Amino acid sequence: KQEVTQIPAALSVPEGENLVLNCSFTDSAIYNLQWFRQDPGKGLTSLLLIQSSQREQTSGRLNASLDKSSGRSTLYIAASQPGDSATYLCAVKGTGSARQLTFGSGTQLTVLP
Amino acid sequence: GAVVSQHPSWVICKSGTSVKIECRSLDFQATTMFWYRQFPKQSLMLMATSNEGSKATYEQGVEKDKFLINHASLTLSTLTVTSAHPEDSSFYICSALGQGGSYSNQPQHFGDGTRLSIL
Repeated sequence: KQEVTQIPAALSVPEGENLVLNCSFTDSAIYNLQWFRQDPGKGLTSLLLIQSSQREQTSGRLNASLDKSSGRSTLYIAASQPGDSATYLCAVKGTGSARQLTFGSGTQLTVLP
Repeated sequence: GAVVSQHPSWVICKSGTSVKIECRSLDFQATTMFWYRQFPKQSLMLMATSNEGSKATYEQGVEKDKFLINHASLTLSTLTVTSAHPEDSSFYICSALGQGGSYSNQPQHFGDGTRLSIL
């Protein structure tokens, strides 16, 4: 059974810092990996999707990498802003008949002004 | 971009009431929709997967008679929590997967969630 772990569980940084969020998964047989943002009491906003054949994806100040063989992904946020404060979730889509998303427990990020 | 609308966003009701939550894909057709449950400060747990026109597939431990799912059209899925009790209070989120292309490269689009509070 796929398990997804995110470290750290919470992170607080001053505005302007670059930061890295980590995600690891136990089963490397995945279709893709997605990073989401969740604001308090809200649904999920998709940030980046990396296919299993890709190594990274970039969108603005965000860069996500994927090392499928080692079961790891990182989300790099450059020049952090208070508006980046949210919970960041990673999720992997498995292969086989289920093909469901398995989520990590998230990293709660606070960017201090 | 693909938009998923979930309604209502918040519902408070008495124990024993049945509550229906709607999930609509507004600008695309969703052959597959997913229902998740999220407890405070925890991640999303998949409850069931529904495909248009067929019965939903429930995850282990999820009572199908308690959580009724109907995916009657390509743009609408509903989750009905029957005879709700306080322990059913949670944040419920739906997600939709579009048609076309490869299943593997389609992102899932999420609704804004429904906060259910049972008194």
